[in-house]
Amino acid sequence: SYELTQPPSVSVSPGQTARITCSGGALPKQYAYWYQQKPGQAPLLMVYRDSERSSGIPERFSGSSSGTTVTLTISTVQAEDEADYYCQSADSSGTYVIFGGGTKLTVL
Amino acid sequence: QVHLQESGPGLVKPSETLSLTCTVSGYSINSGYYWGWVRQPPGRGLEWLGTTFRSGSTSVNPSLKSRVTLSVDTSKNQFSLNLSSVTAADTAIYYCARVLGGTTSPHFDSWGQGTLVPVSS
Repeated sequence: SYELTQPPSVSVSPGQTARITCSGGALPKQYAYWYQQKPGQAPLLMVYRDSERSSGIPERFSGSSSGTTVTLTISTVQAEDEADYYCQSADSSGTYVIFGGGTKLTVL
Repeated sequence: QVHLQESGPGLVKPSETLSLTCTVSGYSINSGYYWGWVRQPPGRGLEWLGTTFRSGSTSVNPSLKSRVTLSVDTSKNQFSLNLSSVTAADTAIYYCARVLGGTTSPHFDSWGQGTLVPVSS
């Protein structure tokens, strides 16, 4: 079965840069998507097609891709960025959707 | 702007069928796009359940394929999820969502607020 692997947690101080990685064998063939989820809320699409920011998402959020790994970078992290972040992609045929396990971003 | 709202029972007993409906407003299901279901057990990550199209074609998570049925009612602008033979492990927040990217690169741009469905006797 196809999996996406994320670190369980990332911690940064305000104003620093946070990088959250997501690894999976099909990522060279399939786009990745990033969602932010705050407690009690539905997920919010932040980045699509590896590196495109969704409408209304601050410029400090960016995505990149290299081989089997995609990365969500949050520059100049703010307290409000503390949340769970999930990557999502699909199998090589696009039939099945898969989510990474999620990364809890803590702003120290 | 599209709005999605899940509805269904507040509690389901073990071995019974969990049935949820998602009502879409601000967009006609007949106009296109796929529609999907995602769940999240308390304190855990997201799990895709399945995706359906207005024609009734579906794709379902292989791990749940034998238990999941998806359907669309275009006359009511709704789509539905049935999950049979539930156990406590099916206790989760269930989200419905609009799916962009079709069957090539599916992803979710609009979500319902989610509904918590406990499975308990």
